[in-house]
Amino acid sequence: GQQVMQIPQYQHVQEGEDFTTYCNSSTTLSNIQWYKQRPGGHPVFLIQLVKSGEVKKQKRLTFQFGEAKKNSSLHITATQTTDVGTYFCAGPATNAGKSTFGDGTTLTVKP
Amino acid sequence: EAEVAQSPRYKITEKSQAVAFWCDPISGHATLYWYRQILGQGPELLVQFQDESVVDDSQLPKDRFSAERLKGVDSTLKIQPAELGDSAMYLCASSLAGQAGANVLTFGAGSRLTVL
Repeated sequence: GQQVMQIPQYQHVQEGEDFTTYCNSSTTLSNIQWYKQRPGGHPVFLIQLVKSGEVKKQKRLTFQFGEAKKNSSLHITATQTTDVGTYFCAGPATNAGKSTFGDGTTLTVKP
Repeated sequence: EAEVAQSPRYKITEKSQAVAFWCDPISGHATLYWYRQILGQGPELLVQFQDESVVDDSQLPKDRFSAERLKGVDSTLKIQPAELGDSAMYLCASSLAGQAGANVLTFGAGSRLTVL
């Protein structure tokens, strides 16, 4: 079945440093979504990418969908303590398919 | 802002007991999902409903788990009997349309189950 892998599993940064997490799917994705889960919380939708090579920005966050639609990345510029949490990518192989989640990258930020 | 309601937030039970979780999706969301999230892992889909019909329950352990959404609105997930390995967060999510991958998932706060 479809597998979605994320690296790294954990990332510890000093406040102000940049952070990047990578997501790789074993199959071509119809689209990819990113969610953030704060400690003790539930996943909250951040963004969805649909087109090959698409890049979207949300303030300090930059999301990219690979040309082959099998990988994606999330980059945070100048991390803040509010960025702490686990970032998950999720995507379906087809438009009507179920979204498979990766195991997430947990970010901790030292003030 | 509309939310997905779940109860209970926490449940502690002994193995072999029965447990049930309830979910009320965002009004108007036809698609409802139950996910299980083990600590340190991503959510895993257990069952997906489109209105009152099951669309996908391929990962639901049907010997002990059951789910229903009788009137196409709220839903119940039951485990009987509970096993130690069922300890996890059970997340309910809903979305607008039937195409799971194309739509944004709104998650509830979850029900954390501990089986002793």
